[in-house]
Amino acid sequence: DTGVSQNPRHKITKRGQNVTFRCDPISEHNRLYWYRQTLGQGPEFLTYFQNEAQLEKSRLLSDRFSAERPKGSFSTLEIQRTEQGDSAMYLCASSPGQGARNEQFFGPGTRLTVL
Amino acid sequence: EDKVVQSPLSLVVHEGDTVTLNCSYEVTNFRSLLWYKQEKKAPTFLFMLTSSGIEKKSGRLSSILDKKELFSILNITATQTGDSAIYLCAVAVKGGSQGNLIFGKGTKLSVKP
Repeated sequence: DTGVSQNPRHKITKRGQNVTFRCDPISEHNRLYWYRQTLGQGPEFLTYFQNEAQLEKSRLLSDRFSAERPKGSFSTLEIQRTEQGDSAMYLCASSPGQGARNEQFFGPGTRLTVL
Repeated sequence: EDKVVQSPLSLVVHEGDTVTLNCSYEVTNFRSLLWYKQEKKAPTFLFMLTSSGIEKKSGRLSSILDKKELFSILNITATQTGDSAIYLCAVAVKGGSQGNLIFGKGTKLSVKP
């Protein structure tokens, strides 16, 4: 399977705990994106990497959230001191990043439930 | 503030019907408009549109963009139960990071047998 992969697929945690999600993009894609999606809403942009550089962060990304892409390949999204409002589907996407194409391919997502 | 508005929010049809889903947008520095299909998992890519008036077609699905009136439509002919999904419209904007897509809330399509 050469698509975007994410793990874990589901995570249940207690409020106040830290969680970390991983995303492996399509291998030749140098752009990687994180989105959050709640019920009845479209995905909302969180942050974006070009290779290992984090180029943009949404105001949705509070200081409890941090994302890394240390070698320009896989990325991790960590949420510290989770709150119930963090419960959502966290989606990762990747794109080739060259020219005008911005066709993003999404992974299956990690569904986070904070109790 | 950039925004993407889809209508209707939900739609119920019978197999064989033709449906038209709407997407309007207000963004600065438009780059492209994308349609995705989302079942009980991540969105899957359908179309990317950058030029007005050029129809993109894939089987029973087709889409067109009007950059003057700032909208796009997604047509599905001879609908099947497998077309039941949420259809998401997203706009990519030009800018320093060229980073993100702005999504609408989606249209939930239910196709009854």
